[in-house]
Amino acid sequence: DVKVTQSSRYLVKRTGEKVFLECVQDMDHENMFWYRQDPGLGLRLIYFSYDVKMKEKGDIPEGYSVSREKKERFSLILESASTNQTSMYLCAGAGGLGEAFFGQGTRLTVV
Amino acid sequence: ILNVEQSPQSLHVQEGDSTNFTCSFPSSNFYALHWYRWETAKSPEALFVMTLNGDEKKKGRISATLNTKEGYSYLYIKGSQPEDSATYLCAPRLGSGGYQKVTFGIGTKLQVIP
Repeated sequence: DVKVTQSSRYLVKRTGEKVFLECVQDMDHENMFWYRQDPGLGLRLIYFSYDVKMKEKGDIPEGYSVSREKKERFSLILESASTNQTSMYLCAGAGGLGEAFFGQGTRLTVV
Repeated sequence: ILNVEQSPQSLHVQEGDSTNFTCSFPSSNFYALHWYRWETAKSPEALFVMTLNGDEKKKGRISATLNTKEGYSYLYIKGSQPEDSATYLCAPRLGSGGYQKVTFGIGTKLQVIP
């Protein structure tokens, strides 16, 4: 089975902290994505990467950055966490037909 | 940001009822459309990928149709069961060239009552 694994299921961080959300996939696919999911807003794309060291902004990149040093790993970085970044974060890799394979999600609370 | 609409946003049906819901999207630069099922406490899982106008896909009791000219897709569930309870997301891919941008709808939350 294809697997996308996120490092944490739940995280609580303080305002101003630098936060790293890690995602690893075993699909050997180039494309990886970070989304956040908020009630009433659906899944919104933060950043994506179509190759190692390549990244593109999604629809809501402000306050975030990403790192893709290896093909299998795609990290989301909150440079200085704020309470409005409290959300569910989902990482995904894209299959051959473009279908996304999602990780289990990280519920981040910023206090 | 692309305008992807799903309706209804939620619905409750009795076990055994059939149901359907809609995904609307801009019809220009269509590349593909994905349907996902998202059960509570799990990750979204891909149901279908549809690429051609008039496509119809089926998986057990669930089927989907696609109209790219008018920009909509229907998802049908025949004889709903409690295990069908989930949020169903559509995600059209629009654009040409090397990468097609994917935008998710808010989803239709289905609750099947035993």
